[in-house]
Amino acid sequence: RKEVEQDPGPFNVPEGATVAFNCTYSNSASQSFFWYRQDCRKEPKLLMSVYSSGNEDGRFTAQLNRASQYISLLIRDSKLSDSATYLCVVARSYNTDKLIFGTGTRLQVFP
Amino acid sequence: SQTIHQWPATLVQPVGSPLSLECTVEGTSNPNLYWYRQAAGRGLQLLFYSVGIGQISSEVPQNLSASRPQDRQFILSSKKLLLSDSGFYLCAWSAQGQPDQPQHFGDGTRLSIL
Repeated sequence: RKEVEQDPGPFNVPEGATVAFNCTYSNSASQSFFWYRQDCRKEPKLLMSVYSSGNEDGRFTAQLNRASQYISLLIRDSKLSDSATYLCVVARSYNTDKLIFGTGTRLQVFP
Repeated sequence: SQTIHQWPATLVQPVGSPLSLECTVEGTSNPNLYWYRQAAGRGLQLLFYSVGIGQISSEVPQNLSASRPQDRQFILSSKKLLLSDSGFYLCAWSAQGQPDQPQHFGDGTRLSIL
């Protein structure tokens, strides 16, 4: 079983739609969680950290469910510019020396 | 603010040739440094990480090596490249000793082996 698993997609959604991605992780001792965004042929960029209480940044909301060991990302009012691959990332240990990257979920927003 | 520089952006090398990719970080001291490889259509694979000068940990056996000659410099090398070394190489840094800090990536080097 992979340490971090994501549905590869693609998720094809119209502009303005709400879309949600889930990610599961296998190491129950994991403490830190992130969502990264990667555009085609570019480096991953941090989108947001994921906190136990859940957090929101504009149109983006991240949730963590420790009991079920999954993380979610909700994007509201999708824009064309949201088209990218979204990587779920889990720290293997508390101090995040090592991050485990999911293979990503591809999102395509169409007009 | 902190910045990370990685070069070259693209590289085409013949099989059996040597490799040297360089990464430098500015605006921070004593960072954790990382080298990743991303093969086409696949996830990020951690190759090496370093918590200080001269301290290198290897995650996977391969014909690549890494060195950290200075605090903010991280070099990825190979004596003889293989076809399987093709990929997108990414350098990253994170703040050491601070929990919950994410990693930040350089622009990457796209390496093609012929």
